[in-house]
Amino acid sequence: GQNIDQPTEMTATEGAIVQINCTYQTSGFNGLFWYQQHAGEAPTFLSYNVLDGLEEKGRFSSFLSRSKGYSYLLLKELQMKDSASYLCAVRDSNYQLIWGAGTKLIIKP
Amino acid sequence: IAGITQAPTSQILAAGRRMTLRCTQDMRHNAMYWYRQDLGLGLRLIHYSNTAGTTGKGEVPDGYSVSRANTDDFPLTLASAVPSQTSVYFCASSDSEETDTQYFGPGTRLTVL
Repeated sequence: GQNIDQPTEMTATEGAIVQINCTYQTSGFNGLFWYQQHAGEAPTFLSYNVLDGLEEKGRFSSFLSRSKGYSYLLLKELQMKDSASYLCAVRDSNYQLIWGAGTKLIIKP
Repeated sequence: IAGITQAPTSQILAAGRRMTLRCTQDMRHNAMYWYRQDLGLGLRLIHYSNTAGTTGKGEVPDGYSVSRANTDDFPLTLASAVPSQTSVYFCASSDSEETDTQYFGPGTRLTVL
């Protein structure tokens, strides 16, 4: 079967750095997405990786290793507004997105 | 309209009733999707449409139907609601560009009693 694994919950301190990991086992690979979802709101797109390596976008970076079936989302200079769930999704061989259950990130002052 | 809208925002429904969730986008995206999101689970695809006039089944299609008469609208119908269909429903569309990123509507919170 297809599977996306992420930690259920993480806690970090305002101003610090946090890394959210995602491992996947899917039938084929056509890209990996990270989304942010605040409580009670819709998911919003953060990043996309299709080749190995690091993609940087301001305070957020996303890394991909296709050979290891592994990605991480790195958030720097954490702000209280970064408290949210972070969803990892992989596009499979049928071009459908397979979603992880999400990682709830709690930021403490 | 800017982006994707969904209606209603929330609904409480008696079991056995018929319900249509509405979704409209103004971005001229070809592909549209319906997901349900339940606590502790990832988003699960119910139905999708790659272009107007075509639809396909996702991971959890039973009890749901869709239509795609035009580019903008993609309604989801529950023919006879059951309590297990209590969930938050998200509609999304994708831009068919290189990344084919999906963009989500605000969601409909549905409770079936």
